[in-house]
Amino acid sequence: DGGITQSPKYLFRKEGQNVTLSCEQNLNHDAMYWYRQDPGQGLRLIYYSQIVNDFQKGDIAEGYSVSREKKESFPLTVTSAQKNPTAFYLCASSMAGLDGYTFGSGTRLTVV
Amino acid sequence: AQTVTQSQPEMSVQEAETVTLSCTYDTSESDYYLFWYKQPPSRQMILVIRQEAYKQQNATENRFSVNFQKAAKSFSLKISDSQLGDAAMYFCAFNRDNYGQNFVFGPGTRLSVLP
Repeated sequence: DGGITQSPKYLFRKEGQNVTLSCEQNLNHDAMYWYRQDPGQGLRLIYYSQIVNDFQKGDIAEGYSVSREKKESFPLTVTSAQKNPTAFYLCASSMAGLDGYTFGSGTRLTVV
Repeated sequence: AQTVTQSQPEMSVQEAETVTLSCTYDTSESDYYLFWYKQPPSRQMILVIRQEAYKQQNATENRFSVNFQKAAKSFSLKISDSQLGDAAMYFCAFNRDNYGQNFVFGPGTRLSVLP
């Protein structure tokens, strides 16, 4: 079955460490996105990519980095520069138009 | 800037009854797409229903339907015959076009279904 796989489901990070969240899709979607979700808030866009080897900053890109070397993969690195990284992270992909997004199951990142 | 507002942080409904979740949005665009997503306790985001702004007819998916009022910029979700499995966070979302940077989510409404 086609879908999006995020791993790991839970991730713990020590202060000052970089961590990378994985997102893989086999839907042949061109566009991929990373969102952050905090309690009581909607989803906020971190980065998105419409095509391989190209990506754009979203609303809250500071302290994060991404790469898009393959169509299927869009990993997100949470760097030590991110001041408050504890959150739930959702990856999504889409084709154009009315199809909307297909979401992964998310990664819960906790700084310890 | 485009925004999406959901004025009801929490709602509850009795099983088998009907509930309506509100959503308003702000845009100067004439063509766009609107969505309702459901996020159950598993936190998996699930597309519930979608609407194209240029279509007058309200979208319907089984027990889920919308009341789309373009002039009022309102996009409410009606859930009929509510079931326990409908309990979740519901997010209204707006997309101006095909591109992710214009996909804006509301803050969500937490729906409880009472047996």
